Amino acid sequence: QVQLQESGPGLVKPSETLSLTCAVSGYSISSGYYWGWIRQPPGKGLEWIGTIYHIGSTYYNPSLKSRVTVSVDTSKNQFSLKLSSVTAADTAVYYCARTAAPTYYFDYWGQGTLVTVSS
Amino acid sequence: EIVLTQSPGTLSLSPGERATLSCRASQSVSSSYLAWYQQKPGQAPSLLIYGASSRATGIPDRFSGSGSGTDFTLTISRLEPEDFAVYYCQQYGTSPFTFGGGTKVEIK
Repeated sequence: QVQLQESGPGLVKPSETLSLTCAVSGYSISSGYYWGWIRQPPGKGLEWIGTIYHIGSTYYNPSLKSRVTVSVDTSKNQFSLKLSSVTAADTAVYYCARTAAPTYYFDYWGQGTLVTVSS
Repeated sequence: EIVLTQSPGTLSLSPGERATLSCRASQSVSSSYLAWYQQKPGQAPSLLIYGASSRATGIPDRFSGSGSGTDFTLTISRLEPEDFAVYYCQQYGTSPFTFGGGTKVEIK
C-alpha cells in the first residue's frame, strides 16, 4: 500500500521560504509515477501547486511558478516543496499526492500538514 | 485556466436519498478528464471517479459519474451515513489543473 507523509515547520514568517518534504513508503519513486503538491486554505477549496517526475521533470501552476521549486531525492524516496516569499495568503493545509502522468488525477494522498504564515 | 463551478454549495438530504451534484466547466474539458473526490473533516481528499465515469478501486457502485464537455454530474444513488462529506471535482485535461469549490452533502 502506497503511503505518503508530509513533514516540515508548521509556522513560517512572512517573506521567508516554506519548505516541506513528502516521504513515500510502499512504492519506489524511481519506479515511475509523478508526485505532486496541492494546498487547501482553511475552509476553502483545493489548488494544485506543482508536480515532479523521478528524473526531475517539473510542472508548475503558472500562478505560483515564480515562487515554487519541487525537487526529488530518490535515494531517500522523498520529494520536496519550497515556496518562497510567503504571505498570509499561503496559509493552508499542504498535501502531497501521487499521479500517473503530468496531466492526471491524484490517486494517493498524504494526510496533509497545516502551515501557518505569521510573524 | 478552466474554472469549475460546483452546485449546489450545500445539499441537505437524509440517508437513503439520492444525491445529484453538478460540476460545470468554463470551457470544454478535454477527453473527459474529470475526477471527483470525497473529503471528510480533517482528512485528505480521496479519489472516487476518474475519466468522468470510471469508479476508482474499491468505490461502491452507488457512486456514479456522468457527463462530457462542460457539464458533469456525480450521483450517489442511496446515501449511506459515511457519504456525508464534501465533494470536489477536478479537471486534469488542461494545465493548470483546477478544482471546483466543492459541494457539502449534509444530513438533513
